[in-house]
Amino acid sequence: NAGVTQTPKFQVLKTGQSMTLQCAQDMNHEYMSWYRQDPGMGLRLIHYSVGAGITDQGEVPNGYNVSRSTTEDFPLRLLSAAPSQTSVYFCASSYSTSNAKNIQYFGAGTRLSVL
Amino acid sequence: GESVGLHLPTLSVQEGDNSIINCAYSNSASDYFIWYKQESGKGPQFIIDIRSNMDKRQGQRVTVLLNKTVKHLSLQIAATQPGDSAVYFCAETSRNTGGFKTIFGAGTRLFVKA
Repeated sequence: NAGVTQTPKFQVLKTGQSMTLQCAQDMNHEYMSWYRQDPGMGLRLIHYSVGAGITDQGEVPNGYNVSRSTTEDFPLRLLSAAPSQTSVYFCASSYSTSNAKNIQYFGAGTRLSVL
Repeated sequence: GESVGLHLPTLSVQEGDNSIINCAYSNSASDYFIWYKQESGKGPQFIIDIRSNMDKRQGQRVTVLLNKTVKHLSLQIAATQPGDSAVYFCAETSRNTGGFKTIFGAGTRLFVKA
């Protein structure tokens, strides 16, 4: 039972490079989201999706793009990496979209450093 | 307790004692509140949730209390164990036009002394 799988686990980028963080879930969850976690801080929502073909912005969307072509996958793209994007990124999914209960299942995270 | 900022609040308790972790939330229209536990190097894990029309919910060794008057949430852990050492986050969820949105608090780090 894989749950939410994130790849890669670690990544180092140079300023200006682009890359895609991968997220896949095998629980048939409608809702998926991306968060970033900076040292000593909570999780801040970047983008989320309530189903295939539907995405929306969270609290800190600038510099990131997402797409949701399938229920399983929700990749996060960094268009032109900046040192301010150095963080730990978590993908999460949940099955509840009919009410606000939204118990999320998280991946293990991707630790990203931008030099 | 919880606070938004650069410094993570820390709670240190003796093994076997009870722990109380506090959280202040901001949106009086939030429908659900959830506590998550995050161990070092891992993603957050669900502990317990409470709906906005309740004021108390109990799980195994954990109890969540909700005070909507002062917009305050607490997590009580009974007989705290070394395995409870982690960062604990509260999250509030509210409906919006796209479905719902979840906002996390900054977290509280719990240290359990043996």
